[in-house]
This record gives sequence, C-alpha cells and structure tokens, in this order.
Amino acid sequence: QSMLTQPPSVSAAPGHKVTISCSGTSSNIENNYVSWYQQFPGTAPKLLIYEDNKRPSGIPDRFSGSKSGTSATLAITGLRTGDEADYYCATWDSSLSAQWVFGGGTKLTVL
Amino acid sequence: QLQLQESGPGLVKPSETLSLTCAISGDSITSPSYYWGWIRQPPGRGLEWIGKIYHSGATYYNSSLESRVTMSVDTSRNHFSLRLSSLTAADTAVYYCARLFGWNYVSTWGQGTLVIVSS
Repeated sequence: QSMLTQPPSVSAAPGHKVTISCSGTSSNIENNYVSWYQQFPGTAPKLLIYEDNKRPSGIPDRFSGSKSGTSATLAITGLRTGDEADYYCATWDSSLSAQWVFGGGTKLTVL
Repeated sequence: QLQLQESGPGLVKPSETLSLTCAISGDSITSPSYYWGWIRQPPGRGLEWIGKIYHSGATYYNSSLESRVTMSVDTSRNHFSLRLSSLTAADTAVYYCARLFGWNYVSTWGQGTLVIVSS
C-alpha cells in the first residue's frame, strides 16, 4: 500500500477539466516538494510538475500543480484524448528513514 | 541531451542476484546537483523507488529493500549500478534508472529494462 493515496481512476470529456488528488501526511507532502509524472503504456514516466507547481520546459500550461497541507492536486484543463495516461505523484518521506515515495497512480480516461 | 540506458539480464533465477548498469550520456555522473537512482514497476502496477546514489558514493535505499540492495558508481566510465540479491518472483518488474534533483524530483528517466525472475 502506497504512503501517498491517489484515486485509481478519473475521467472527463474532451475540453473539460479534471483534477487528480494525492493525499499524504506531515512527514511527506506537507513538508516536502511534490512532483507529478505522466506515463503512457509501455513507456517510461515523464516529469510533468516539480516542486509542487513548476512545469519543465515543453509542458503546456494546461497542466498545473498545487498543494495545501497534506494534499496535492494535479489539474489538467482543456482535456485531449492524448492526455489519456497514468499519473503519479511523488515526494520525499522523512519519517524514520529518508526515502522517496510514489502514489499508487491514477488512470485518466478522456471519454 | 541527457540519455540514460539500462543494461543487464532479462531473466534471472530465484535466489540469485540481479546486476544492472545505467550508462549516462550527455551529462557527467559528477554533476553536483544530481543524484542517480533506480525505480521499478511490476507489470500492471505502480512505481517503487529502490534507492539513489551520489557520485561520492553516498547512498539512500528504500527501507523495505535495504537488506538486499547495493548501489555503486563508476566515475571513470560515467555509469552507475544496482545489485539486488535473493531474488523472488515479486522482484519481476521493469527497472528504470534515473537522474534525481536532490530529494525534489526525478528529472530524467531511462527507457527501462524488463527483468523476469523465474526458474
């Protein structure tokens, strides 16, 4: 079971907005940077959002990240069928021993 | 442009030790801002962090795997390696090598290599 909790799946229509939540604790999300990754079937994940809300070059501003307390959120606006993928949140957990943790992943379906 | 390429056996027997290497091109393993790490993904499942290493040799491992994991760097060859011992079927996964910016994020991923543990 992941230390970060994500919904297994979300869906929305093309052109609409969807949000994916990532719930953690004070030892991870609340006090450390969150990043988000996009993964298409059979390919490696790709960095989508880093340090809570920053986008790497080449990532469109349709993708945004936010954080409040022990939860983080990825928002995708203007949905396209090409956005169908798995999305993972991640952060550092500083409880007991320092280690990196991932959410369980969320499958986005664009209806 | 940074590229990471994993190499190693695709099939390993139970109880044996897995050895993987990640070759780095387009950057130096001694870059001061970055760590180098391994992440795996069992078929049809989510991502699991294995650990990371700095060019000095300092390591941080997933506590659930720590007793079986060893990471090392070879600065002369600009690559780093993973050894995972006492393999079981549960270790079957795609193994990714990656470049990490401190504890903040994974900036670059290798393409991944599938490792199957089976007799």
